[in-house]
Amino acid sequence: DIQMTQSPASLSASLGETVTIECRASEDIYNGLAWYQQKPGKSPQLLIYNANSLHTGVPSRFSGSGSGTQYSLKINSLQSEDVASYFCQQYYDYPWTFGGGTKLELK
Amino acid sequence: EVQLVESGGGLVQPGRSLKLSCAASGFTFSNYGMAWVCQAPTKGLEWVASISTGGGNTYYRDSVKGRFTISRDNAKNTLYLQMDSLRSEDTATYYCARLDYPVFDYWGQGVMVTVSS
Repeated sequence: DIQMTQSPASLSASLGETVTIECRASEDIYNGLAWYQQKPGKSPQLLIYNANSLHTGVPSRFSGSGSGTQYSLKINSLQSEDVASYFCQQYYDYPWTFGGGTKLELK
Repeated sequence: EVQLVESGGGLVQPGRSLKLSCAASGFTFSNYGMAWVCQAPTKGLEWVASISTGGGNTYYRDSVKGRFTISRDNAKNTLYLQMDSLRSEDTATYYCARLDYPVFDYWGQGVMVTVSS
């Protein structure tokens, strides 16, 4: 199975700050990567697919980048509604696997 | 508006069975693959199973193969997960998700399954 390692596990940032979350795959996943946001008590929502494509309706302050085994999610100008957990997921190969998540809080 | 509404969860003893349902609306159900994803309490997400548009192709994670069965009824716009021989480690919230292959582009609100004696 492809292991997905996210860092950091938790993150505290101020409003307006830029935040970056990293995701490393145990092998090349050829941009088969998605990012999801899960707000407290809610179901996950798709943010990014194919490593860098923004899902419909997602604010442009979210962006994804990376290739090979290293990927990142960047949030520009952090807003209060961005407080959530973020998960990466590879869909290059079965079983599809998720990272352990990054919990983002406001400082 | 895409809506996915799960039902059928609850408390069940180890070794028993449970069947989850997911009622879909707001899109042409038969045009999309579907999936189940679970999340154990305070844990991360885990893909469980997926099914193709017509139901002819199904995929499972190893830990549920032979115990869980994913199926769909396109006439009823409903996705199912038959869960047999349940174990304590199956305790989780189960989400139904639409597949805009191969990403989960819409998720239901989730249903809790607790396996305990």
